[in-house]
Amino acid sequence: GENVEQHPSTLSVQEGDSAVIKCTYSDSASNYFPWYKQELGKRPQLIIDIRSNVGEKKDQRIAVTLNKTAKHFSLHITETQPEDSAVYFCAAAHSGGYQKVTFGIGTKLQVIP
Amino acid sequence: ETGVTQTPRHLVMGMTNKKSLKCEQHLGHNAMYWYKQSAKKPLELMFVYNFKEQTENNSVPSRFSPECPNSSHLFLHLHTLQPEDSALYLCASSQERRNLGFGPGTRLTVL
Repeated sequence: GENVEQHPSTLSVQEGDSAVIKCTYSDSASNYFPWYKQELGKRPQLIIDIRSNVGEKKDQRIAVTLNKTAKHFSLHITETQPEDSAVYFCAAAHSGGYQKVTFGIGTKLQVIP
Repeated sequence: ETGVTQTPRHLVMGMTNKKSLKCEQHLGHNAMYWYKQSAKKPLELMFVYNFKEQTENNSVPSRFSPECPNSSHLFLHLHTLQPEDSALYLCASSQERRNLGFGPGTRLTVL
């Protein structure tokens, strides 16, 4: 089955700096890569996703990149703000009749004001 | 955020109790899932139902028993649990090629 590795497990950045979280996956058939943000005591929420037919996607301060050959994908947050503090999960999935999503272990991001 | 709801939000039970977790989705999705979230572990997929048919059982112990009476409702029946089963249990739903959306979770503590 699919295996998703995520690092770092914790990340502290100063407000305004950038944060990068990296993931690798094992199953070359995976073609959908969502990222979830989970604030303390709340449910995971989808913040951005990328499909295997594109290499990069941006949404305001958030961007994801995908290297299919190396089976790497990354989340980039620019101009970080205190409200970006949360646990971020990467995931990999086959997108078919339903989605079986395999998650990484999560990265706890702390943005220091 | 009322697309996927879960009850109860918190549950404390003894090892000999029987309880059930309930999930309901109001999004018209055709797939529903149970995930377990424990500290310092990835989200673990437990069960998947697609059009109310179970399509995935990720080697989950039989003390967890899912039930999906229709595409909008999903239950997780619990009996003779162990303390290590204490975790946040998240329900989720999705539609073909669309995003996986989570419920708020049930925080379960087994004494």
